[in-house]
Amino acid sequence: AQSVTQPDIHITVSEGASLELRCNYSYGATPYLFWYVQSPGQGLQLLLKYFSGDTLVQGIKGFEAEFKRSQSSFNLRKPSVHWSDAAEYFCALQGDTGFQKLVFGTGTRLLVSP
Amino acid sequence: DAMVIQNPRYQVTQFGKPVTLSCSQTLNHNVMYWYQQKSSQAPKLLFHYYDKDFNNEADTPDNFQSRRPNTSFCFLDIRSPGLGDAAMYLCATSTGTGMNTQYFGPGTRLTVL
Repeated sequence: AQSVTQPDIHITVSEGASLELRCNYSYGATPYLFWYVQSPGQGLQLLLKYFSGDTLVQGIKGFEAEFKRSQSSFNLRKPSVHWSDAAEYFCALQGDTGFQKLVFGTGTRLLVSP
Repeated sequence: DAMVIQNPRYQVTQFGKPVTLSCSQTLNHNVMYWYQQKSSQAPKLLFHYYDKDFNNEADTPDNFQSRRPNTSFCFLDIRSPGLGDAAMYLCATSTGTGMNTQYFGPGTRLTVL
């Protein structure tokens, strides 16, 4: 069965500090992996995605994520957080065969302190 | 810009009064999805259309229906909204093939009085 775990429900980071949001997955093969961000009252915006190839993926807004097969992880990073990054972040997985639905993690709420 | 549009952004209805939410897309994608998202939870897939083929999730209540009259539009009908149906409703689209990335609309916040 496919599953995504985001161990941190909330994270608080000081503005200007680095950020890492954790995501672990369970899937029998190499999945398609996504990070979405959701600001309050808004829809989900795609930050980045991994399908194959280079395991370090660059996204929008200065975010990057690294796929580590040995750890079944796809952690999201940003070197310097801005106050506007405060939002909910969802990691999601999709199987790589045929048409498959997204499986979401429970989300991590990022708070940015001054 | 190509995008996913949802109308209205905010909808207030009364308990038991039918309501329809609208989604349109300019991406010409084959697949359109409807998700329900309650506070502090991940989106929950209700159903999706792959072209004209309707696919209902097993645990979606019968109270929720959908229509897709053409490629661009998809509607979510809630026949008799209950207080528990108050949520954010998200529409998403994807090609349905290859690297099947979903693109989301801004959502409709439904309040049930």
